[in-house]
Amino acid sequence: GAGVSQTPSNKVTEKGKYVELRCDPISGHTALYWYRQSLGQGPEFLIYFQGTGAADDSGLPNDRFFAVRPEGSVSTLKIQRTERGDSAVYLCASSLTASGLATDTQYFGPGTRLTVL
Amino acid sequence: QKEVEQNSGPLSVPEGAIASLNCTYSDRVSQSFFWYRQYSGKSPELIMSIYSNGDKEDGRFTAQLNKASQYVSLLIRDSQPSDSATYLCAVRLINAGGTSYGKLTFGQGTILTVHP
Repeated sequence: GAGVSQTPSNKVTEKGKYVELRCDPISGHTALYWYRQSLGQGPEFLIYFQGTGAADDSGLPNDRFFAVRPEGSVSTLKIQRTERGDSAVYLCASSLTASGLATDTQYFGPGTRLTVL
Repeated sequence: QKEVEQNSGPLSVPEGAIASLNCTYSDRVSQSFFWYRQYSGKSPELIMSIYSNGDKEDGRFTAQLNKASQYVSLLIRDSQPSDSATYLCAVRLINAGGTSYGKLTFGQGTILTVHP
C-alpha cells in the first residue's frame, strides 16, 4: 500500500514568512509524528498525535511552531515568522498505534526540506 | 550526557566483512530499541527492532540488546557496498506509569562505508 507522503518535498522561504508542511500518513494509522533533522544529526522529535489530539508536544522548540490533525488523518505543521535556524528536513512518521507494542513501528515519509533564506 | 549516543564514524569495512555498530543509552526505563538505515538524501528505513535482552537475527542483520549495560548493537554480516549508509539507533521510553511514550529518541547516527 501507499506509504507516508509529505508535501512539498522542498520549500524555500524568506526569513519572517509563514510556512505549512503537510503529512499524509499510512491509511489506518492512528499515531502520527513530526521530527526535524539537521545535517549530520539524527531526527529530533517535535510532536505526536494520537487520533486528532496532540499526545505529546514537548519537542516543539517555541510558540512559532504549531501542528494540527483535525480529522485524525492528514496533519499540517505550521511555522510562523520563520528563522534561518528553522532550516532542516522535516520528517513525518506514522504508526498503527502508540501503545508500546510491536505495532508501534514508525514508518517515515520522504521529508520536506525547508530552507529559510 | 546525550540520551542516545553513537560513534559518528565513519566506519569503513571491506566487502564481505562484519560491520559492528554500537549504541548506548542513558535512561534505564528505555523500553524498545530500533535500528534505522538512512541513505543520503532519503528518509530513515527500519532495519531491526528489539525489545528483550539477547540477540535477534534477521537475514544478514543481528541486533543485540543488553539492558543491564544499557547498550544495543547491530551486526551486519557479509557487508555489501549497498549497505553504505548512516545507521540510526533509536530508543523509546516508558513513563513512570509503565506506558510508552510515543516518541523515538535518536542518536546522531554512524556513517558506514563498505568498500569493494
